[in-house]
Amino acid sequence: DAGVTQSPTHLIKTRGQQVTLRCSPISGHKSVSWYQQVLGQGPQFIFQYYEKEERGRGNFPDRFSARQFPNYSSELNVNALLLGDSALYLCASSLGTGAFAEAFFGQGTRLTVV
Amino acid sequence: GEDVEQSLFLSVREGDSSVINCTYTDSSSTYLYWYKQEPGAGLQLLTYIFSNMDMKQDQRLTVLLNKKDKHLSLRIADTQTGDSAIYFCAESMRAAGNKLTFGGGTRVLVKP
Repeated sequence: DAGVTQSPTHLIKTRGQQVTLRCSPISGHKSVSWYQQVLGQGPQFIFQYYEKEERGRGNFPDRFSARQFPNYSSELNVNALLLGDSALYLCASSLGTGAFAEAFFGQGTRLTVV
Repeated sequence: GEDVEQSLFLSVREGDSSVINCTYTDSSSTYLYWYKQEPGAGLQLLTYIFSNMDMKQDQRLTVLLNKKDKHLSLRIADTQTGDSAIYFCAESMRAAGNKLTFGGGTRVLVKP
């Protein structure tokens, strides 16, 4: 069975540009969460979606947005990129959003903003 | 508020035991987790403990939870070179579903 897949694996963008990152959850999983991991730090929660609805939002500016599609895949969009947005963006999928619904992480998308 | 802290680095000899420590501040934590991250990879769930437990053992891994001191530890017995990685503790809280709050990570280096 395929795990959580993210695309692209790496990309380089210029300040001010926009980027879209994609995530396909494990088959049967209806929840997708996004995390940002800056080099040398732990992952920080950005968004959670369940059944196409936003269920949680972390402390990130409005330049960050996301959505979930009917097939439960998800996109994370970041507008007006800043150098500080350079990070590993991790997607996690889970069956649901309960207190313990094990989160399975993808390999991440490494975003570099120059 | 949410805050999870870990020591930055641990060096251990192959075959010895490793102990990685973590402190958290939110007493409403529901589950506490240990994740492993190898270079260039995502996060792998190693083990977890429910907040009403004191200890959990899973093969070479032992998790200890001291709720009074809000202290969590992960002991790896017979540490191998393949255990070299960054280890993150994380918490989730009932009110926030399975949203995870991570510590900054402990880099473990296993020397032969």
